Amino acid sequence: GQSLEQPSEVTAVEGAIVQINCTYQTSGFYGLSWYQQHDGGAPTFLSYNGLDGLEETGRFSSFLSRSDSYGYLLLQELQMKDSASYFCAVTYTGGFKTIFGAGTRLFVKA
Amino acid sequence: EAQVTQNPRYLITVTGKKLTVTCSQNMNHEYMSWYRQDPGLGLRQIYYSMNVEVTDKGDVPEGYKVSRKEKRNFPLILESPSPNQTSLYFCASSLSGTVGGYTFGSGTRLTVV
Repeated sequence: GQSLEQPSEVTAVEGAIVQINCTYQTSGFYGLSWYQQHDGGAPTFLSYNGLDGLEETGRFSSFLSRSDSYGYLLLQELQMKDSASYFCAVTYTGGFKTIFGAGTRLFVKA
Repeated sequence: EAQVTQNPRYLITVTGKKLTVTCSQNMNHEYMSWYRQDPGLGLRQIYYSMNVEVTDKGDVPEGYKVSRKEKRNFPLILESPSPNQTSLYFCASSLSGTVGGYTFGSGTRLTVV
């Protein structure tokens, strides 16, 4: 089947850098996305990697290595408002089915 | 405003009483999808649609039906709800299914008693 692995929780201090990893099964892989979800809210799209390498959007960057079936989300200059759950999501070929990981809860401390 | 609109936001129903959760998007997106979210399990895909009249099962389709008669609408139907379908449901849409990601609705909190 198709499954994704990401850590359940990460804690970091304000101003620091944090990396959230995601590994996935390769069969039919098309691309990797990242979403943010605050408590009580809906997931919001952060980034998409279709090719190997780094994509940067402001304080957030996302990386993909197809050969390692691995990606990560990098959050820099952490702010309290970054406390949220972060989901990696893999899109597969054959209809672009998109599967989400279980999510990583990020706690940012002052 | 570009958005995905789900209704209702909250619903309490009894076992076996058919219900429909509506979903509509105004962005002319090709792809639409339904997810359920349960604590510790993340978002699990129920059904998805690549275009009008084209739908396919996700990972947890049992007990659900969908239809895509128009591009903008993608209702989720529970013919005979059961308590294990108590969950938070999200509808989402995407232009390409990849680049640009999915835009999610605000969610529907369903309780089946």
